[in-house]
Amino acid sequence: GENVEQHPSTLSVQEGDSAVIKCTYSDSASNYFPWYKQELGKGPQLIIDIRSNVGEKKDQRIAVTLNKTAKHFSLHITETQPEDSAVYFCAATLPGGGSYIPTFGRGTSLIVHP
Amino acid sequence: DAGVIQSPRHEVTEMGQEVTLRCKPISGHDYLFWYRQTMMRGLELLIYFNNNVPIDDSGMPEDRFSAKMPNASFSTLKIQPSEPRDSAVYFCASSFSTQETQYFGPGTRLLVL
Repeated sequence: GENVEQHPSTLSVQEGDSAVIKCTYSDSASNYFPWYKQELGKGPQLIIDIRSNVGEKKDQRIAVTLNKTAKHFSLHITETQPEDSAVYFCAATLPGGGSYIPTFGRGTSLIVHP
Repeated sequence: DAGVIQSPRHEVTEMGQEVTLRCKPISGHDYLFWYRQTMMRGLELLIYFNNNVPIDDSGMPEDRFSAKMPNASFSTLKIQPSEPRDSAVYFCASSFSTQETQYFGPGTRLLVL
């Protein structure tokens, strides 16, 4: 099965700074990599995802990069704002459906100080 | 669609009691997942269903936990008997496929005294 490592576990930044969260995965066949944001008291919500045929994807202040050779992908948040404070989860998914489901990282608690 | 619906939102019970958590997935989604979240262990997958059939329950901690999906619009997670170490937030999620977004419910916060 897939194994996902996520770092750092906690990230503290000043408002306006950039934040980067990194994940590595073990199975080179994984081809779908979603990122979820979990605000306090709520369930995780998808914020961006990337598939293995793409190296980078951007949505306003959020971007994700994928390095298939090194088997790692990263979430980049620019111009951070206090409302970005949350726990972020990465995941990796093997193709084929059925028994292949997303494997989640342990999460990164992002704190943005005003 | 109202999203994934879970009930109850909060549950406080005493050790030894039976606890039943409920989930209504988004209509049309073929996959339903049950997760448990704690500070110590993070987000753990307990069990998931594909077209109402349990596919993998290897994450279920022990025989005290059971899950059912009698139809495409309803699933339950039961703990009998409950223990204090079962205290956690339990999430239900659904998706069209494994390669698409999982939509999480608001969670059930369980406290076993």
